[in-house]
Amino acid sequence: GIQVEQSPPDLILQEGANSTLRCNFSDSVNNLQWFHQNPWGQLINLFYIPSGTKQNGRLSATTVATERYSLLYISSSQTTDSGVYFCAVFRLNTGNQFYFGTGTSLTVIP
Amino acid sequence: GAGVSQSPRYKVTKRGQDVALRCDPISGHVSLYWYRQALGQGPEFLTYFNYEAQQDKSGLPNDRFSAERPEGSISTLTIQRTEQRDSAMYRCASSLESEGGYNEQFFGPGTRLTVL
Repeated sequence: GIQVEQSPPDLILQEGANSTLRCNFSDSVNNLQWFHQNPWGQLINLFYIPSGTKQNGRLSATTVATERYSLLYISSSQTTDSGVYFCAVFRLNTGNQFYFGTGTSLTVIP
Repeated sequence: GAGVSQSPRYKVTKRGQDVALRCDPISGHVSLYWYRQALGQGPEFLTYFNYEAQQDKSGLPNDRFSAERPEGSISTLTIQRTEQRDSAMYRCASSLESEGGYNEQFFGPGTRLTVL
């Protein structure tokens, strides 16, 4: 399989602060997704980003596939951003599954 | 326009009982995946279907676990003779295309299984 490491494991932010979450993976990948697991346990799709940069409101993501990492940027954080952020990667011919990291737990305090 | 749905949302059962967990994917999605998530961990793959065909079941932990998708839509994950170690969140996901195409996965709300 593919090893996926996320950092930092835990993060506490003051509301309004910016942050960068990192995802490193051990092999080349064909696809990558970022998810937000909210406090109610729902996994919300943030980005489907095998390469390049995408932005969606206060969130943006960059994947540098050749260097095997992806970054998730959160700007002007809000309390509703709290939860666990997961990175998941997929590679053809290594099993038809996404491999998840252990996540970054984010707490935004007012 | 509905998302992936799962039922029941919560299941409490006694050790040794069988349980069946249901997943209703997004309409038209070819691929369906089952994952298991322990507390504090990311989801781990169990099995995967393209249409009605089970393509990969390498993640099923033992032969007490089985899954089916007989008509290529709704899927059922069955756990026989449940054990306490089976307690976890069971998640289902679907994608429009399979692994060779656009395979962004969308997850259901999960079923929280507790085995007493």
